[in-house]
Amino acid sequence: NAGVTQTPKFRVLKTGQSMTLLCAQDMNHEYMYWYRQDPGMGLRLIHYSVGEGTTAKGEVPDGYNVSRLKKQNFLLGLESAAPSQTSVYFCASSYHRIGMNTEAFFGQGTRLTVV
Amino acid sequence: AQSVTQLDSQVPVFEEAPVELRCNYSSSVSVYLFWYVQYPNQGLQLLLKYLSGSTLVKGINGFEAEFNKSQTSFHLRKPSVHISDTAEYFCAVSVGGSNYKLTFGKGTLLTVNP
Repeated sequence: NAGVTQTPKFRVLKTGQSMTLLCAQDMNHEYMYWYRQDPGMGLRLIHYSVGEGTTAKGEVPDGYNVSRLKKQNFLLGLESAAPSQTSVYFCASSYHRIGMNTEAFFGQGTRLTVV
Repeated sequence: AQSVTQLDSQVPVFEEAPVELRCNYSSSVSVYLFWYVQYPNQGLQLLLKYLSGSTLVKGINGFEAEFNKSQTSFHLRKPSVHISDTAEYFCAVSVGGSNYKLTFGKGTLLTVNP
């Protein structure tokens, strides 16, 4: 049981380049999330999805786009990378709304450096 | 909107000493509270969670946390730490009514020294 898998694990981009981060979960979860982690900032929500075909903005959505064409996959895109997007990106998923019987499961992270 | 404050960014302790990592939240409605641990170069792992019921919650690796509604706190404790507990610890909250996401604190780096 793989859980939440992120691809790639590391990437270096030049300013202005584009890339897509892939998150895949095999737990049949409805909700999926993308967070970024920066030193001293904790984790901040970029975008999230409450089901296949849906997406919504989180706290820091600027410069990112997402798609959820399949229930098990949640893609995070950077159209024109900037040095400010250097960060560790975490994907997470949950069966339903986080609460009584639901918790979030996290991937191992993608370390992105934009030079 | 909900927020989480972790009062200490770094906590150094000696091995076998007790430790408390502090977390306060702000919300006027029901909350679900979590502590996650992140070991170096790894993802986040759930340590424990408070959903309802008993205010003392026990988690993995000997950690426990106490929910205090009047003080809006959810402090994490361990009576005796090990070198292997060195990691970053994140407190997170999900609020009833908008519990589609977790809001995280900025993290506390626990360093256990021999």
